[in-house]
Amino acid sequence: AQSVSQHNHHVILSEAASLELGCNYSYGGTVNLFWYVQYPGQHLQLLLKYFSGDPLVKGIKGFEAEFIKSKFSFNLRKPSVQWSDTAEYFCAVNAPFRGNNRLAFGKGNQVVVIP
Amino acid sequence: DTGVSQDPRHKITKRGQNVTFRCDPISEHNRLYWYRQTLGQGPEFLTYFQNEAQLEKSRLLSDRFSAERPKGSFSTLEIQRTEQGDSAMYLCASSPQSSGSDDEQFFGPGTRLTVL
Repeated sequence: AQSVSQHNHHVILSEAASLELGCNYSYGGTVNLFWYVQYPGQHLQLLLKYFSGDPLVKGIKGFEAEFIKSKFSFNLRKPSVQWSDTAEYFCAVNAPFRGNNRLAFGKGNQVVVIP
Repeated sequence: DTGVSQDPRHKITKRGQNVTFRCDPISEHNRLYWYRQTLGQGPEFLTYFQNEAQLEKSRLLSDRFSAERPKGSFSTLEIQRTEQGDSAMYLCASSPQSSGSDDEQFFGPGTRLTVL
């Protein structure tokens, strides 16, 4: 079964700072990778996803993520954060090629952006 | 149709009582998923339907839990004889059936269960 690791559960930074959240997964086969975001009081929303092709994926709100297969990583980045980026961020993986559609999530990163 | 909806949004119950939650997926989404999320954790998979067929169940889903999707549209999740450890946010997600591997799941707002 696949598993996902996210480190630095709590991140506090100032507006305009750069953000990078790490995500490592354990699974030997082909996977799909996702970053979901949960803003305060709202439900989980998809930020970006990787299925195949260019390993640098651009998502909404200026976020991007890079898939590095050799490192089993899918790190999320934003060059300059805003107060509105305060949220919880979850990395997730599934392996539908193996008939495994379930998403395995990491524990999440609670990000607080100080104005 | 604006998204996945769940009802109720909050449920408080006493230990030992039964509870039932409902999920309405996005129209024409064939796949429906249930997850559970506790404080400080990411969502954990419980079970998955394709149309009315329950195709996968997690070991987290004890025999006190049962899920149905009788007509391939809405789904219910029932917990019998609730325990305090069942307190969590129960999330529903749906996705369209695709011939490829692009299985993006759309999440509902969740039902927060508190067992006293």
